[in-house]
Amino acid sequence: GENVEQHPSTLSVQEGDSAVIKCTYSDSASNYFPWYKQELGKGPQLIIDIRSNVGEKKDQRIAVTLNKTAKHFSLHITETQPEDSAVYFCAAGGKETSYDKVIFGPGTSLSVIP
Amino acid sequence: EAQVTQNPRYLITVTGKKLTVTCSQNMNHEYMSWYRQDPGLGLRQIYYSMNVEVTDKGDVPEGYKVSRKEKRNFPLILESPSPNQTSLYFCASSPGTRGYTFGSGTRLTVV
Repeated sequence: GENVEQHPSTLSVQEGDSAVIKCTYSDSASNYFPWYKQELGKGPQLIIDIRSNVGEKKDQRIAVTLNKTAKHFSLHITETQPEDSAVYFCAAGGKETSYDKVIFGPGTSLSVIP
Repeated sequence: EAQVTQNPRYLITVTGKKLTVTCSQNMNHEYMSWYRQDPGLGLRQIYYSMNVEVTDKGDVPEGYKVSRKEKRNFPLILESPSPNQTSLYFCASSPGTRGYTFGSGTRLTVV
């Protein structure tokens, strides 16, 4: 089955710097890759997603890249702000739609230092 | 407001006492799912449902039951809770074209 690894487990950056979180997956059939942000005491929130027919997607300060050959995908946050501090989860799914089993990575705790 | 509502937020119970965690969504989503979150393990899927009366096991279904009699509701049932089911539980729903919308979580402690 699918296995998702995520690095680093913790990340501290200065406000205004960029943050990069990297994930690898094992199942080459996976073709849906969402990213979630979880703030303290809340449920995860979908912040961006990418499908296998797209190599890169950007939404304001957030971008995701996908390398299907290497089975890597990454989250890039530019111009970080204190409110970006949270736990970020990557996930990989086996089909285009979201209902299929989506396997989550273990999470990255991001701290943005003012 | 579009949301997934789960209750209760906190629950302490004793081993073997049946309990139900309710989940309701107001977005008319077809797909619903239950996850448990444990430190260092991320989110693991317990059960999911593609539509009314259609459910399937996720990665960690042992000790749990679900039902989907109505589109909006997807309760999680623990027939005989054990201490290893102490965890943070999330219900989630999706239209099937994008990722899940998660509830605020239920922190369950089984003593």
